[in-house]
Amino acid sequence: SQKIEQNSEALNIQEGKTATLTCNYTNYSPAYLQWYRQDPGRGPVFLLLIRENEKEKRKERLKVTFDTTLKQSLFHITASQPADSATYLCALENYGQNFVFGPGTRLSVLP
Amino acid sequence: DSGVTQTPKHLITATGQRVTLRCSPRSGDLSVYWYQQSLDQGLQFLIQYYNGEERAKGNILERFSAQQFPDLHSELNLSSLELGDSALYFCASSRRTEDTQYFGPGTRLTVL
Repeated sequence: SQKIEQNSEALNIQEGKTATLTCNYTNYSPAYLQWYRQDPGRGPVFLLLIRENEKEKRKERLKVTFDTTLKQSLFHITASQPADSATYLCALENYGQNFVFGPGTRLSVLP
Repeated sequence: DSGVTQTPKHLITATGQRVTLRCSPRSGDLSVYWYQQSLDQGLQFLIQYYNGEERAKGNILERFSAQQFPDLHSELNLSSLELGDSALYFCASSRRTEDTQYFGPGTRLTVL
């Protein structure tokens, strides 16, 4: 069956460190993958998109990698700040029809 | 501000009732998506419309229906409401199906 997993449900890190979030999927073949940030009670906000032929994408302190062999995407936030505390969602393109969202990882950056 | 508007922000109703949630997409966006997010579940895709036509269907209950009007706004109708329907309902829009989705602020539905 198809599955998207984000390890782990919650992640606590110290301010200034690099946060690494993972997104693993099974029985999907996404042409691209997106990462979103969601604050409590608000709608998700788009952060980055990476295509299947791209290994890595960067935007300011954010970096995403996409390994179609491992069926995994890693999302990194370098020099993390308390303001980065939020839930981060990965979303897979699903055969050109829609996106399927992972369950999310709740990141807490401690001062 | 994403440019996607949703009304109402909050809705409190009783079991068995029917409600309508409304979404206006960003200017120029043809695709509208509806999602349900409850405390114990992630973002669940319900249904997508593209330029007035249903494009994709997710885990949408038969008690729920949606439509997209010629002016591209969309409505999600929820009927015979149950306690378990209490959730945040998000609408998102995009230019085309494969584009980034922009989410509205959501409608928080509480069924008592």
